[in-house]
Amino acid sequence: DIVMTQTPLSSPVTLGQPASMSCRSSQSLVHSSGNTHLSWLQQRPGQPPRLLIYKISNRFSGVPDRFSGSGAGTDFTLKISRVEAEDVGVYYCMQATQFPYTFGQGTKLEIK
Amino acid sequence: QVQLVQSGAEVKKPGASVKVSCTASGYTFNSHYMHWMRQAPGQGLEWMGLINPTGTSTNYAQRFHGRVTMTRDTSTSTVYMELSSLRSEDTAIYYCVPEEPGAGWVDPWGQGTLVTVSS
Repeated sequence: DIVMTQTPLSSPVTLGQPASMSCRSSQSLVHSSGNTHLSWLQQRPGQPPRLLIYKISNRFSGVPDRFSGSGAGTDFTLKISRVEAEDVGVYYCMQATQFPYTFGQGTKLEIK
Repeated sequence: QVQLVQSGAEVKKPGASVKVSCTASGYTFNSHYMHWMRQAPGQGLEWMGLINPTGTSTNYAQRFHGRVTMTRDTSTSTVYMELSSLRSEDTAIYYCVPEEPGAGWVDPWGQGTLVTVSS
């Protein structure tokens, strides 16, 4: 199984300031199709997860442009340019390149 | 818009089985895989498996082999996940979430079904 490792596990951020979190996979996430199936999900308290970013850097429909994804191979980053109060929650990376799909442990974004 | 409505919360005794349903609307149900994920209280996300668009093929996570069965009824746009031989560690919120074949991403997630296993 591909192991996904996220850092940090917790990220206290001041409103209006940027935030960044990392995800590393135990093997390359490049699919045989040439795509890299790395997604970022946001889970607000008491809510199901929702898709933010797919294929490393593509923002899903309705996702604010303050969210951006980058990376390649085994190292990926999610950045929030200016954190807003509604961004509080847990962020998960997920790989869908190989079965079983696997998730990182999550990075909890908190407001200082 | 795409909507997934799951069945209500369940309380089961150890050793029993539970069957959770997920009814989809707002998209072409017969052209999407359906995944099941779960999340234990205060924990992260775990992939359980998927069923293909026609219901003729499944792929289960190894740890659930022999205990999980996923089925779908195309006439009602409903998928089912049955988990047997329940133990306390199966207490979790169970989510269904569709994927267009080859997309490599999943969305939207159902609202979740809490299954509590307790004697």
